[in-house]
Amino acid sequence: EVQLVESGGGLVQPGGSLRLSCAASGFTLSDYWMHWARQAPGKGLVWVSHIKGDGTSLGYADSVKGRFTISRDNAKNMLYLQMNSLRVEDTAVYFCGRGGVTASLDYWGQGALVTVSS
Amino acid sequence: QSALTQPPSASGSPGQSVAISCTGTSGDVGAYDSVSWYQQHPGKAPKLMIYEVNKRPSGVPDRFSGSKSGNTASLTVSGLQAEDEADYYCSSYAGSNHIYVFGSGTTVTVL
Repeated sequence: EVQLVESGGGLVQPGGSLRLSCAASGFTLSDYWMHWARQAPGKGLVWVSHIKGDGTSLGYADSVKGRFTISRDNAKNMLYLQMNSLRVEDTAVYFCGRGGVTASLDYWGQGALVTVSS
Repeated sequence: QSALTQPPSASGSPGQSVAISCTGTSGDVGAYDSVSWYQQHPGKAPKLMIYEVNKRPSGVPDRFSGSKSGNTASLTVSGLQAEDEADYYCSSYAGSNHIYVFGSGTTVTVL
């Protein structure tokens, strides 16, 4: 059974940093692109970042480019999102997702809440 | 990159059909057959319902169908059931610069 479990969310002050983790199980992580998406309270989904199975290709939404870094450790079955220079508008539930066929996300984690506030 | 445009709400009685539109541009929906649809119940993770415009993952009822014409994609839910009441989001690949974009979301209410 495919499972994705996010951790590392919490409360952080503006300008601070936080690292999200996503533990993957039930499939071979290195075979898949992985994604992060987020959802602000009461708002819609927004794509954040993705990384190729072998880590050689990355992509970011313009809103997080230069501040967030996606990475993975296939040996540990882990996906990460390092978030620096956090802003109030980064407050959201962050989901990790497995890249499926042709730009779809076929499995999602339950999400981790990140609150940026002073 | 702006979100794809969806109607905020849609509704139907049990057994009826409801269609949700998803309008993008020639740079995303119109350019690629990579439209996906997701169902999200309150407080839950999204669930993939349609990929590649009109394909259903294993386990998704055939009451859910997708289509695309030009820059607009659509999700149709036939034979509405109470458990179909949820938020629905479309998404599309948007090229190597903008990569992916989600729709603004539609809340489906079963009357």
